[in-house]
Amino acid sequence: EPEVTQTPSHQVTQMGQEVILRCVPISNHLYFYWYRQILGQKVEFLVSFYNNEISEKSEIFDDQFSVERPDGSNFTLKIRSTKLEDSAMYFCASSERASSYNSPLHFGNGTRLTVT
Amino acid sequence: DAKTTQPNSMESNEEEPVHLPCNHSTISGTDYIHWYRQLPSQGPEYVIHGLTSNVNNRMASLAIAEDRKSSTLILHRATLRDAAVYYCILRDNVYGGATNKLIFGTGTLLAVQP
Repeated sequence: EPEVTQTPSHQVTQMGQEVILRCVPISNHLYFYWYRQILGQKVEFLVSFYNNEISEKSEIFDDQFSVERPDGSNFTLKIRSTKLEDSAMYFCASSERASSYNSPLHFGNGTRLTVT
Repeated sequence: DAKTTQPNSMESNEEEPVHLPCNHSTISGTDYIHWYRQLPSQGPEYVIHGLTSNVNNRMASLAIAEDRKSSTLILHRATLRDAAVYYCILRDNVYGGATNKLIFGTGTLLAVQP
C-alpha cells in the first residue's frame, strides 16, 4: 500500500537556525497538509496546500513558516528561524481529493524536531 | 467546528470487542463522522467514516445513532496492536466551501490487556 514518507525521522537544530522538513506524499494525491504535535499535546493543524498554493493555514503558521512543492513529488515545510517552542513532531499528510468527497488523510510517521 | 466528546481512556482485553463512544450533539446535517487512530510513535491513521448509516470495513465498524448525536466505533476483536489513541472527528462535507483540514481533539486512549 502506498504511503507518505517523511525525512529525516529526527532533526536536531539550534535556536535561530533554519530547518526544512521533507515529505513525499502519495503520488496521485492532490491535497497536502502539515500538522504538528508537541509532546503530550493534541495534533494541531498547520497548513493545507492545493494546486501550488496554500488553501488554509492556522494561527500557528506565521511568517516563520513556509511550504513548497518544489518538484512535483516533494512537499516541504521550512521554519526560518527556529524557536525552542517549535520542538514537536511534525506530520505530513496527503489526500486524494477534497473534503467534500470525504477523501481520508494519509499521514506519514513524522519528523521529530528538537530545538536546543 | 462542531465539537466531539470522548472518554479520556478505556481498557479492553485482547480478543474481546471494544466499543468506543463519541458524543457530537451539535453535529450539522453536512458533517461526516470520521475516526482516526494514532499508535505510539506514529502518525494518525484513518479508520472509518460515515454519515447516517452504519459502516463496516476491514478495520472496524461504525454505529451511528438515529439522531446522529452520537456514534460508536467498534473493534470486533481487540489485539495488542489496537492499543492507540482513537479520535472521533466531524468533517464538513459542503462542496466548495469546506475546509480540508481535520481538527483533532484529545481522543480516547485505548489500552489492550493480554
